[in-house]
Amino acid sequence: DTGVSQDPRHKITKRGQNVTFRCDPISEHNRLYWYRQTLGQGPEFLTYFQNEAQLEKSRLLSDRFSAERPKGSFSTLEIQRTEQGDSAMYLCASSRTDRGDEKLFFGSGTQLSVL
Amino acid sequence: EDQVTQSPEALRLQEGESSSLNCSYTVSGLRGLFWYRQDPGKGPEFLFTLYSAGEEKEKERLKATLTKKESFLHITAPKPEDSATYLCAVQPHSNDYKLSFGAGTTVTVRA
Repeated sequence: DTGVSQDPRHKITKRGQNVTFRCDPISEHNRLYWYRQTLGQGPEFLTYFQNEAQLEKSRLLSDRFSAERPKGSFSTLEIQRTEQGDSAMYLCASSRTDRGDEKLFFGSGTQLSVL
Repeated sequence: EDQVTQSPEALRLQEGESSSLNCSYTVSGLRGLFWYRQDPGKGPEFLFTLYSAGEEKEKERLKATLTKKESFLHITAPKPEDSATYLCAVQPHSNDYKLSFGAGTTVTVRA
């Protein structure tokens, strides 16, 4: 169990640029989640995948955001035309749903700063 | 909509001074209530899952309890390494993929 990995750890970009984050979940986990966390707040749900299918998207996820999980393995989250309000910690998590214990394991996150 | 309120926002303790954190929630059918610990610049780290009122779980100096409206995280004789933000989250039956988190309680333990 190597844990959930996220890359990069930090990203600084200029407003209007596109950014992409990667998440590698725990290998046997079938669900993968993206959350966003701003300073002083708890994480907020963005979207999740069951294997390779994206099954739910929060209304927080505007059309500038897109997430993929090809082949049910790693996932990417892309933000197009970044805005200053996108500055946040983007957290990836994974879980395994076939054991009745659905705790989420989180990665260390990608801290995005939009200048 | 599911709601989670944590109190206090911040807690400063002397080493060895026991205390409790509160998590009040409203959810349409609770599947599970989760406690996580988060260190600065890191992702949340799982501590406990509670499923039904009356349930209790312990891990080292931490003990979590659950009622129908709230959960408590008791910290007994804390040490400086217990300093962190503690997050509470609820998982509903209807949308079991979605955890709703509170804003957290930041605990600082002074030696």
